[in-house]
Amino acid sequence: QVQLQESGPGLVKPSETLSLICGVSGGSISGYYWSWIRQPPGKGLEWIGFIHSSGSTTYNPSLKSRVTISVDTAKNQFSLSLTSVTAADTALYYCARVFRTVTEAFDIWGQGTMVTVSS
Amino acid sequence: DIQMTQSPSSLSASVGDRVTITCRASQSISSHLNWYQQKPGKAPKLLIYAASSLQSGVPSRFSGTGSETDFTLTLSSLQPEDFATYYCQQSYSVPLSFGGGTKVEIK
Repeated sequence: QVQLQESGPGLVKPSETLSLICGVSGGSISGYYWSWIRQPPGKGLEWIGFIHSSGSTTYNPSLKSRVTISVDTAKNQFSLSLTSVTAADTALYYCARVFRTVTEAFDIWGQGTMVTVSS
Repeated sequence: DIQMTQSPSSLSASVGDRVTITCRASQSISSHLNWYQQKPGKAPKLLIYAASSLQSGVPSRFSGTGSETDFTLTLSSLQPEDFATYYCQQSYSVPLSFGGGTKVEIK
């Protein structure tokens, strides 16, 4: 079955760029939409954006000026870049597959990776 | 942006109880509503999509109803493994958004 695994630095300095990769195993990345979602410690979930395997993207307007999501179909992975980070970006970052029917739901999730923004 | 409001924010219940969680959207979202369960230290798990469709592998004691602005997740008979936090999520418009969560605790 399809599995997702996030990877990247657990600590990022303020004003720098957060970069994460989500590796997809057990299935192809092609033909699907993929998403990043984050959860600050003890808080709720925030959708960051999604990307189709073709490369088309949709971002949360609140983060759009700082976010880039890209896909590498050859490596079966997609990535997140968030620039100019502050302490408010400290969160558990999840990647997820988008299940599109009548609605868009997140049906497969990675385990999450904690990113702390601190000097 | 569409705001999703869940109630209650927490509840205490016993094994075997019937539990109902409500999610209200700030504007009509038709049936573009999904429900998730999250246990401590784990990623959310999709339970219900499109307001009332049960995700594959999810026990039938979970059910969802509603449309437009008002939605309900019901657990017909609470089991020990159901103690968790539940989130609703709308996909009617960008930005996709989640409710604040409902924590179901053991009474």
